[in-house]
Amino acid sequence: IQMTQSPSSLSASVGDRVSITCRASQNIRTYLNWYQHKPGRAPNLLIYAASSLQSGVPSRFSGGGSGTDFTLTISSLQPEDFGVYYCQQSYGTPWTFGRGTKVEIK
Amino acid sequence: EVQLVQSGPEVKKPGESLMMSCEGSGYDFTNYWIAWVRQAPGKGLEWVASIYPRDSDTRYSPSVQGQVTISVDKSITTAYLHWKTLKASDSGLYYCARRAEAPLTHRFFDLWGGGTLITVSS
Repeated sequence: IQMTQSPSSLSASVGDRVSITCRASQNIRTYLNWYQHKPGRAPNLLIYAASSLQSGVPSRFSGGGSGTDFTLTISSLQPEDFGVYYCQQSYGTPWTFGRGTKVEIK
Repeated sequence: EVQLVQSGPEVKKPGESLMMSCEGSGYDFTNYWIAWVRQAPGKGLEWVASIYPRDSDTRYSPSVQGQVTISVDKSITTAYLHWKTLKASDSGLYYCARRAEAPLTHRFFDLWGGGTLITVSS
């Protein structure tokens, strides 16, 4: 299952609303997870099952979608939100990730 | 503390063998699948292999099938990834991760190790 993310990178200001999209090559229902990956650190789970917020993750992060189209939204971008964001499907093996969206703070 | 602790960086030559480790602590190690996820230089994340410590059931990505072996020692709550013959293309940052499960069999990686950098170069 191929996962396509867009955009590949974005630059936004603190306080901006940011959205990242992820498209699956086939119907994956809601078997979609989002991770944040900062340089030199391990990836961090943000959202699982398309829209469930992982414990400890700030509420400014939200996820939506089902089937083939999904969105990760940061409602008010914060300085610590820089990094690369990946979607990942867990509908079928092999589990696959998108190529990532690099988020930079202006 | 719930954590996964990985072995240190390695520098190897093509053709050499390698085993890296991932020790889990602070949780019931036998009750969660452990996966290896790699990041090749300049690339994104790629799932490599998974193992269920309770019965050593394994899964491999087609991209590495036959080239790597995942194993586990329950007695010391440690998972391993082993190469018999390394290639330059095996270079990268390798993470181990715990697979958790939510209702309706939604599965995800909720706990990650710090990563092990593997450099394969002549």
